[in-house]
Amino acid sequence: EDQVTQSPEALRLQEGESSSLNCSYTVSGLRGLFWYRQDPGKGPEFLFTLYSAGEEKEKERLKATLTKKESFLHITAPKPEDSATYLCAVWRGKLIFGQGTELSVKP
Amino acid sequence: GAVVSQHPSWVICKSGTSVKIECRSLDFQATTMFWYRQFPKQSLMLMATSNEGSKATYEQGVEKDKFLINHASLTLSTLTVTSAHPEDSSFYICSARSGQGSYNEQFFGPGTRLTVL
Repeated sequence: EDQVTQSPEALRLQEGESSSLNCSYTVSGLRGLFWYRQDPGKGPEFLFTLYSAGEEKEKERLKATLTKKESFLHITAPKPEDSATYLCAVWRGKLIFGQGTELSVKP
Repeated sequence: GAVVSQHPSWVICKSGTSVKIECRSLDFQATTMFWYRQFPKQSLMLMATSNEGSKATYEQGVEKDKFLINHASLTLSTLTVTSAHPEDSSFYICSARSGQGSYNEQFFGPGTRLTVL
């Protein structure tokens, strides 16, 4: 059964304290892993798509990487405005989402 | 990135009434649109997938007669919650893809908060 697991469920950081969010997946034949950011009361905002192991993508303070079993979302020197829930999902004819990581960055 | 809009952003209705939510892709043609439901502190739950001009495919456990989906054009899909009850209160989010392959990105609307009294 296709499964996506994100950890930790919640992460509290001080401003400037870099860290990583994990997304592990068990799917037969990955056809795309997606990262989204969701603010409270809003729809998910697209961040990255990764397709093959070894691929990396960056956007401002965020960097997403992919291996054959997991993906990491690295946050470098986070700011309070990076506080949000980060969702990862795999494409299997539809997006299968993990439960998300709620990130809180305190000034 | 591509823009998906939803209308209304929030709606309050009485039990027993029907509510229609619109989802539009503003700057691309969406061959496939998806409707999700999200409860507080939970991830998105896919309700149905619709392709333009054909009937929607509903996920297991979702009542197709309760949640009517119409994808009449490449830029518009609607979700109608029929005879709404308080348990239908939730956050409904649509999303759209420009193609059917795995290499097509999927963009989400801002969501619609439905409260049934």
